[in-house]
Amino acid sequence: DAKTTQPNSMESNEEEPVHLPCNHSTISGTDYIHWYRQLPSQGPEYVIHGLTSNVNNRMASLAIAEDRKSSTLILHRATLRDAAVYYCILIEQDDKIIFGKGTRLHILP
Amino acid sequence: GAVVSQHPSRVICKSGTSVKIECRSLDFQATTMFWYRQFPKQSLMLMATSNEGSKATYEQGVEKDKFLINHASLTLSTLTVTSAHPEDSSFYICSASYRVAQYFGPGTRLTVT
Repeated sequence: DAKTTQPNSMESNEEEPVHLPCNHSTISGTDYIHWYRQLPSQGPEYVIHGLTSNVNNRMASLAIAEDRKSSTLILHRATLRDAAVYYCILIEQDDKIIFGKGTRLHILP
Repeated sequence: GAVVSQHPSRVICKSGTSVKIECRSLDFQATTMFWYRQFPKQSLMLMATSNEGSKATYEQGVEKDKFLINHASLTLSTLTVTSAHPEDSSFYICSASYRVAQYFGPGTRLTVT
């Protein structure tokens, strides 16, 4: 499986935008870039995914570098409820997910 | 849409007994489901891939005779932890694929005493 590299933790102030980076220099042409997040004592939650173009949904935006070797998850206005571990994962369609350590996001009130 | 449920949410059992955990896709059909285990402060570890109508595929190091998986229908997969021991105490999570993404259940907290 192609691997991703994320910072262990990040902090952000409430109501400010958050940019969560992810490096995936060995990405293949068929790998989708997925982001999931896990709140304490819950199962992971799907956030967003993309292949080549930037993507927006009600939860977040995903900015994908032109060479696809990195991507950034953007939370436009962080709230305390966004405090979670965020996982950047590369998967082929319907393939299994191998989780890395993710980024633990702390939101400061 | 794309809701996955698990039952029970919490279970406590005695050492040596077996425990069954159910995973259901509520509003879609899932030919493939996945089972994960998560210890405190750690990431999710994939245990096995559950395939409807066929045998599960286990990850390296996961004992198939201890963690029995049955995927009898397109909406239900079960994980049975047989002869449970305290070291099996963990957070068990299932997921199912739907339209390129995967959707996860809320997890089952197993405590073996």
